[in-house]
Amino acid sequence: GAVVSQHPSRVICKSGTSVKIECRSLDFQATTMFWYRQFPKKSLMLMATSNEGSKATYEQGVEKDKFLINHASLTLSTLTVTSAHPEDSSFYICSARESNTDTQYFGPGTRLTVL
Amino acid sequence: EDQVTQSPEALRLQEGESSSLNCSYTVSGLRGLFWYRQDPGKGPEFLFTLYSAGEEKEKERLKATLTKKESFLHITAPKPEDSATYLCAVQAAQGAQKLVFGQGTRLTINP
Repeated sequence: GAVVSQHPSRVICKSGTSVKIECRSLDFQATTMFWYRQFPKKSLMLMATSNEGSKATYEQGVEKDKFLINHASLTLSTLTVTSAHPEDSSFYICSARESNTDTQYFGPGTRLTVL
Repeated sequence: EDQVTQSPEALRLQEGESSSLNCSYTVSGLRGLFWYRQDPGKGPEFLFTLYSAGEEKEKERLKATLTKKESFLHITAPKPEDSATYLCAVQAAQGAQKLVFGQGTRLTINP
C-alpha cells in the first residue's frame, strides 16, 4: 500500500515553455501533498505544501507565480513550471501525506531538463 | 528553529560489517521522526516512523531507535543492496505538517 506516482518521469523542454508534473496517490486519499526539489547529492528542499481545495503554501524564496500548484482532488496534485529556464532544471519529487500515520510517501521523481 | 543533523555524511562498509547511522535533532515538540532510503535518481522510500523516546522498529537488517535528542539506524550484517542514501526527517507537533530533513548519509556496502 501507500503508493505515489509521478508523471512524467523525465521531461526535456525548451526555454520559455511550461511543464506540468502530476502527482497521484494511488491507494489512499491525501488532503495534503508536498512538492520538493533536489539538487545533485543534496537533500530535499521543500518548495510548497499543497492542500486539497485551497491555495498552496509556498516556502520562502519560492516564486508562486513560477511554480503553480493545483490540488483539485484528494488523489491528485499538479506542479506547473511556467516559462521554464535552464536554472529550473532539477529533480522534482512529490509526496502525499497519509493521515492515519502522518507519514509522507514519496513519488519516484521527475527529472526536468530545460534547454 | 527545527534542525536535523545526520552523521557520518558517507560510510563505506564491507558486506557483513554492522554499523549505525546517527540522526540528531532539535524540534519544538516532536510529532514524529521518519527514516527513508533513497536510491540514485529515485524518490525516497519510507522505512520507519518513530513517535516517542524509547521506541524501536525493525525491518529485515535495519533497526531504528529513538531518544529525546537523536535517532540511530542500526544496520546488521549489511548486503551490497543496502547501499543507498539514508535520510532522517522530523515533524514538529505544532504548526505545519512539513518534514525537516537532514543531509543524509551515503552508505556503500562493498561485496
